[in-house]
Amino acid sequence: KQEVTQIPAALSVPEGENLVLNCSFTDSAIYNLQWFRQDPGKGLTSLLLIQSSQREQTSGRLNASLDKSSGRSTLYIAASQPGDSATYLCAVYETSGSRLTFGEGTQLTVNP
Amino acid sequence: GAGVSQTPSNKVTEKGKYVELRCDPISGHTALYWYRQSLGQGPEFLIYFQGTGAADDSGLPNDRFFAVRPEGSVSTLKIQRTERGDSAVYLCASSLQPSANTGELFFGEGSRLTVL
Repeated sequence: KQEVTQIPAALSVPEGENLVLNCSFTDSAIYNLQWFRQDPGKGLTSLLLIQSSQREQTSGRLNASLDKSSGRSTLYIAASQPGDSATYLCAVYETSGSRLTFGEGTQLTVNP
Repeated sequence: GAGVSQTPSNKVTEKGKYVELRCDPISGHTALYWYRQSLGQGPEFLIYFQGTGAADDSGLPNDRFFAVRPEGSVSTLKIQRTERGDSAVYLCASSLQPSANTGELFFGEGSRLTVL
């Protein structure tokens, strides 16, 4: 059974700092990996989708990498801003079907 | 609408009652998913529709839970004889094609269910 782990569970940083969120998964036979952002009381907003044949994706200040062989992905946020404060979720698409398996998320707080 | 729409946004009910939660996916999206999210946890898969049929319902916790998508668009998640443990946010997502074929998922804002 696929298990997704996110470290750290919570992170608090001062504004302007660069930071890395980590995601690991137990079964490397995945199709794709997707990073989401969730604000309190809201749904999930897709940030980046990395296909299994890709090693990274970039969008603005965000960069996500994928290393299937080691079962890891990282989300890099450059020059963090208070508006980046949210919970960041990593999810993998399993090869056995079309379900997403999520990690428990990293709660990020960027202090002004 | 432009995004996935879920109603109601909040539902408070008493233990033992019947509840329906509705999801209106993005127009043209053939794949629809239901997830459940408890406080402080990541979403957990419940069921996946491709068109009108349930392609994977293995995430439904028991036979009190049922979902339909009769015309391949709007879906309804139905919960019978609700229990306090059913309290959670129920999230719906849709994609243009099945997620296993690189279809990016788009989520609604969820329906928060509280069972007293």
